[in-house]
Amino acid sequence: DADVTQTPRNRITKTGKRIMLECSQTKGHDRMYWYRQDPGLGLRLIYYSFDVKDINKGEISDGYSVSRQAQAKFSLSLESAIPNQTALYFCATSDLQREETQYFGPGTRLLVL
Amino acid sequence: QKEVEQDPGPLSVPEGAIVSLNCTYSNSAFQYFMWYRQYSRKGPELLMYTYSSGNKEDGRFTAQVDKSSKYISLFIRDSQPSDSATYLCAMSPMIYNQGGKLIFGQGTELSVKP
Repeated sequence: DADVTQTPRNRITKTGKRIMLECSQTKGHDRMYWYRQDPGLGLRLIYYSFDVKDINKGEISDGYSVSRQAQAKFSLSLESAIPNQTALYFCATSDLQREETQYFGPGTRLLVL
Repeated sequence: QKEVEQDPGPLSVPEGAIVSLNCTYSNSAFQYFMWYRQYSRKGPELLMYTYSSGNKEDGRFTAQVDKSSKYISLFIRDSQPSDSATYLCAMSPMIYNQGGKLIFGQGTELSVKP
């Protein structure tokens, strides 16, 4: 079984809809991250969480919110989706002692019409 | 100007070729340098990790860091079709207690033809 899982893997939604992307991990890591990947722009950090009680904004947090429901679960919400949020979204985890190694999930492809 | 610049390619080489992938950066505070590999429809995975300047070798892969020039490279010797992927450089000023925030380059798409 995969250590970092994301659901759904693909999603098509309409402008203005609220959607949630979910991430679960079995690695026992405290640190979790949400990134988006766009062609030509690489990976950009949306939010990150040190632990359940510590959530921080990343480079591009506007239009997004997150919830850390448990050590193993970190969800990303788009409150009112817009077309320029069409992207590939990745969840990642890391261990406190090996932060250079981030373990990524398989990604969620989101299309906002 | 982006903090990390990486030629997006695509780069196509024949099997057996030596591949050179490069990134430049502007933040002199960067101390940790990583290369991630991303296969199609997969998440990135760490390939190599280097602290400060110097070289690091792992099998067919060599990572180089030149902090004086703010330039890092990844060399792949005897490239194989299985090396076909997108390679992303990533950097951070100080990893520990900084939340592991990495700054990624745009990624270079590599194709190795049999």
